[in-house]
Amino acid sequence: DGGITQSPKYLFRKEGQNVTLSCEQNLNHDAMYWYRQDPGQGLRLIYYSQIVNDFQKGDIAEGYSVSREKKESFPLTVTSAQKNPTAFYLCASRPPGNSPLHFGNGTRLTVT
Amino acid sequence: GENVEQHPSTLSVQEGDSAVIKCTYSDSASNYFPWYKQELGKGPQLIIDIRSNVGEKKDQRIAVTLNKTAKHFSLHITETQPEDSAVYFCAASAGAGGGADGLTFGKGTHLIIQP
Repeated sequence: DGGITQSPKYLFRKEGQNVTLSCEQNLNHDAMYWYRQDPGQGLRLIYYSQIVNDFQKGDIAEGYSVSREKKESFPLTVTSAQKNPTAFYLCASRPPGNSPLHFGNGTRLTVT
Repeated sequence: GENVEQHPSTLSVQEGDSAVIKCTYSDSASNYFPWYKQELGKGPQLIIDIRSNVGEKKDQRIAVTLNKTAKHFSLHITETQPEDSAVYFCAASAGAGGGADGLTFGKGTHLIIQP
């Protein structure tokens, strides 16, 4: 079954620690995305990558970092510089052309 | 850039009735309009989409209409069922490639189906 796998589903961290969220896809999509979702908000774009070894900042990139060493993988690191890291994080990929995003099932991060 | 407004933020309907969610967009170059359904604790799933060369598209109980002149599009769900309860997002895209600016999302509508 092709799809996007995000792990873990729930993640708890202490304030001041960096944490990395995993995203793997076997859809052979070039483009991958990270979104943040807060209650009552839409989906806000953190980072995106259109090709291996290349990525761009989205609307709310401050306090986050990413890497794209492999086509299948696009991990997101939430750094201690992110002031409000507690949120639901969604990874997505997209085939070429004007086409829909395919989402993973998200990781809920809680920082205390 | 593109701006997408979605209304209402919450919609409660009786089971069996119809539900309508409306979105407006600002960029007249937008030509692709997907709708996503998100169930609690899961990622959004595409339920229907429409392109600007079409005014309406139906898939069983779900339909989407597009008015390019007025720059608005709507999701219609008929004969609502309890499993339709979820958050629905609209989006608009003017991008031809896979760039991030290809999809702008509305803030979502929480649809509640009352038994």
